[in-house]
Amino acid sequence: EDQVTQSPEALRLQEGESSSLNCSYTVSGLRGLFWYRQDPGKGPEFLFTLYSAGEEKEKERLKATLTKKESFLHITAPKPEDSATYLCAVRGNSGGSNYKLTFGKGTLLTVNP
Amino acid sequence: GAVVSQHPSWVICKSGTSVKIECRSLDFQATTMFWYRQFPKQSLMLMATSNEGSKATYEQGVEKDKFLINHASLTLSTLTVTSAHPEDSSFYICSASGELAGYEQYFGPGTRLTVT
Repeated sequence: EDQVTQSPEALRLQEGESSSLNCSYTVSGLRGLFWYRQDPGKGPEFLFTLYSAGEEKEKERLKATLTKKESFLHITAPKPEDSATYLCAVRGNSGGSNYKLTFGKGTLLTVNP
Repeated sequence: GAVVSQHPSWVICKSGTSVKIECRSLDFQATTMFWYRQFPKQSLMLMATSNEGSKATYEQGVEKDKFLINHASLTLSTLTVTSAHPEDSSFYICSASGELAGYEQYFGPGTRLTVT
């Protein structure tokens, strides 16, 4: 069974204070690791997909990296509008052809001005 | 990016009644749609997966007779909560996946269901 553990559960930063969120996973045959952003009362917004160890992707102040056991979401010089819950999910061979995702519980990021 | 809509965004119903939630992929054909529910401060729990024209596959512990899923076209899936009870109150979110969307899952904005 695929498993995803995210840490920390909650993180408070000052505006401009860079940090990283962690996503540890166990999966039978990784077919993709996904990062989403979720604002309160809304559906998750797709950020990145990573497929193999060593891969990195960037979008504005966010950078996602992947190893064989974990992924990091680095936030550089965050702004208050980056405040949200960040979700990590994996897709493995057990999902079959339906591309089923297994989600972690998320990290609630709060950026204070 | 791919756009997925849900309707309604929120609904209040009385115990014992049924509620239908629609999920539409607006700019791509969704060969697969997923239905999740999310409790406060919890992550997404997959309820079922549906492929267009086929019966839905339900996750363990999800009552298929209570949560009816129909995926009749490549752009529309519906979730019907039958004989709703207060414990069915939750945030229901759909996602859609298809070839032209790179097989990523794109999520709708969610539907807040409150059963009184």
